[in-house]
Amino acid sequence: EDKVVQSPLSLVVHEGDTVTLNCSYEVTNFRSLLWYKQEKKAPTFLFMLTSSGIEKKSGRLSSILDKKELFSILNITATQTGDSAVYLCAALYGGATNKLIFGTGTLLAVQP
Amino acid sequence: NAGVTQTPKFRILKIGQSMTLQCAQDMNHNYMYWYRQDPGMGLKLIYYSVGAGITDKGEVPNGYNVSRSTTEDFPLRLELAAPSQTSVYFCASSHRVLLPFSGNTIYFGEGSWLTVV
Repeated sequence: EDKVVQSPLSLVVHEGDTVTLNCSYEVTNFRSLLWYKQEKKAPTFLFMLTSSGIEKKSGRLSSILDKKELFSILNITATQTGDSAVYLCAALYGGATNKLIFGTGTLLAVQP
Repeated sequence: NAGVTQTPKFRILKIGQSMTLQCAQDMNHNYMYWYRQDPGMGLKLIYYSVGAGITDKGEVPNGYNVSRSTTEDFPLRLELAAPSQTSVYFCASSHRVLLPFSGNTIYFGEGSWLTVV
């Protein structure tokens, strides 16, 4: 059965800390790995990773995909309270249908 | 620039009632999707459509129906609502080809909170 597993389930850190969120997947016809940030409403897109070993960066956030070991990590450096959210990873699969299988998410709480 | 618009945002249904969640997108996307998110869980695909007149089941289609008469609209119908359908529903849309930057990805609406009592 296809699955996406995220760890940890939740995390509490202080402002300025660096965090690493993990995502492993076992998905048939895997195409890409997507990361989303969810703050109570719609998931907002962060990264889409298709190639192994190439780091994507956006400000304090970065992510990388390992297609051999079937996992991805999302790093957030110098965390801020505004980073508090649920971070979802999802595996894009299934030919041309663009279907996603989501993990359960990691709840990140950044304390001042 | 509206993106993906869902209505209603909140609704309480009684067991056995029916209702339709509306979804519209103004990005000329061919692909549209309905997901549900239960508390503490990831999103699960209910139905999807790759173009007007074409729909297909996702992971959890039971108790739902969809139609796609236009490119812009993708309503989700709940027939005979059950407590197990209490959830947050997200509509999403995308182009057929996804590119690895934020200009061309899968976009989500803000969600519809549904409670069945």
